[in-house]
Amino acid sequence: KNEVEQSPQNLTAQEGEFITINCSYSVGISALHWLQQHPGGGIVSLFMLSSGKKKHGRLIATINIQEKHSSLHITASHPRDSAVYICADGNYGGSQGNLIFGKGTKLSVKP
Amino acid sequence: DAEITQSPRHKITETGRQVTLACHQTWNHNNMFWYRQDLGHGLRLIHYSYGVQDTNKGEVSDGYSVSRSNTEDLPLTLESAASSQTSVYFCASSEVGRPTEAFFGQGTRLTVV
Repeated sequence: KNEVEQSPQNLTAQEGEFITINCSYSVGISALHWLQQHPGGGIVSLFMLSSGKKKHGRLIATINIQEKHSSLHITASHPRDSAVYICADGNYGGSQGNLIFGKGTKLSVKP
Repeated sequence: DAEITQSPRHKITETGRQVTLACHQTWNHNNMFWYRQDLGHGLRLIHYSYGVQDTNKGEVSDGYSVSRSNTEDLPLTLESAASSQTSVYFCASSEVGRPTEAFFGQGTRLTVV
């Protein structure tokens, strides 16, 4: 069974801190997704990656295929980064397009 | 701009009633999915469709059904609502056949009383 594990479950940071959220998966992937969900809000795709590293503004996502591990980094964190961050394994070998989700990391950035 | 919309955003219903949640996308995606989100479980797949007239059961499909009569819509029906189906429901869509970004609706918060 494909499982996706995230850590930590909850994270509190002070504004300006560097933040890392980790994601491990058990089955080989076609793509690893990072998603963001603000309180009461919808889910927005941040990154989709199958190798290496991607950067968008202050957000950086990396993946190590051999270790089945991905990280999401936030540099110079800001209170508006407070959200739940979810990683998801896009296992296209099985159910096409279906995502297997981690349980999410709730980030709170204090001013 | 293309989008995916869910309606209603919030609904309260009584146990035993039939409820339908709407999902409409203008991306022209063939793949559409329904998930439910619960504390401690994350997002779990209810049903999915790879195209018109195609529907498939997901991990937690008991008590739910879907139909796909056109590309744009995948309504989710709760045949006889139960309190255990109180949850936040998300619809998503994606392109066929290659790793591709998934697009999510804003969610529907359903309370069964």
